[in-house]
Amino acid sequence: ETGVTQTPRHLVMGMTNKKSLKCEQHLGHNAMYWYKQSAKKPLELMFVYSLEERVENNSVPSRFSPECPNSSHLFLHLHTLQPEDSALYLCASSQDLITNYGYTFGSGTRLTVV
Amino acid sequence: GENVEQHPSTLSVQEGDSAVIKCTYSDSASNYFPWYKQELGKRPQLIIDIRSNVGEKKDQRIAVTLNKTAKHFSLHITETQPEDSAVYFCAAGASGGSYIPTFGRGTSLIVHP
Repeated sequence: ETGVTQTPRHLVMGMTNKKSLKCEQHLGHNAMYWYKQSAKKPLELMFVYSLEERVENNSVPSRFSPECPNSSHLFLHLHTLQPEDSALYLCASSQDLITNYGYTFGSGTRLTVV
Repeated sequence: GENVEQHPSTLSVQEGDSAVIKCTYSDSASNYFPWYKQELGKRPQLIIDIRSNVGEKKDQRIAVTLNKTAKHFSLHITETQPEDSAVYFCAAGASGGSYIPTFGRGTSLIVHP
């Protein structure tokens, strides 16, 4: 792993289930992000955290609930999802929100909602 | 907000040829332009970036050019190899506040041996 670890790698869940995605970064970064990647679409920003404080919620439905207990960990809690929520969910981190040194992405969680 | 257009969506080349991917952006305040490579089943990885105070940056076989007047920037890959096959994403954003880049839709590059 290159510093941003996501678990699980694959997840299949029913529409009535509750599950959580986990992201951990070992880079000392202060900003963390959740992105949704669907086929044929641009990367969709979902949430942004800076120093454990949510700074952006990009009009994401309430069935997605983020949590950032500290600057190294980020969770995405899922409940009553829809089949169209099936996608690759990518976590990323960066030094902070101001310094432009690019993102380090995790490997993603491939989510399938059945 | 920023709008980033990326073309082409698919690019097929023969090994050894050059490949060029172009992005345009709308916000003249954007000043940081990274490029990411995502191989099949893997994470996106930053491969090169450019800031608005330079017009070109090169790293071995890859180069990025920026035209601030026309608001476009391009990725150039020379002497392509099969391992260059991947999806490439451009992004644009502005520092000076909260920098959160806008990504292009991606270009699927296929290099045929």
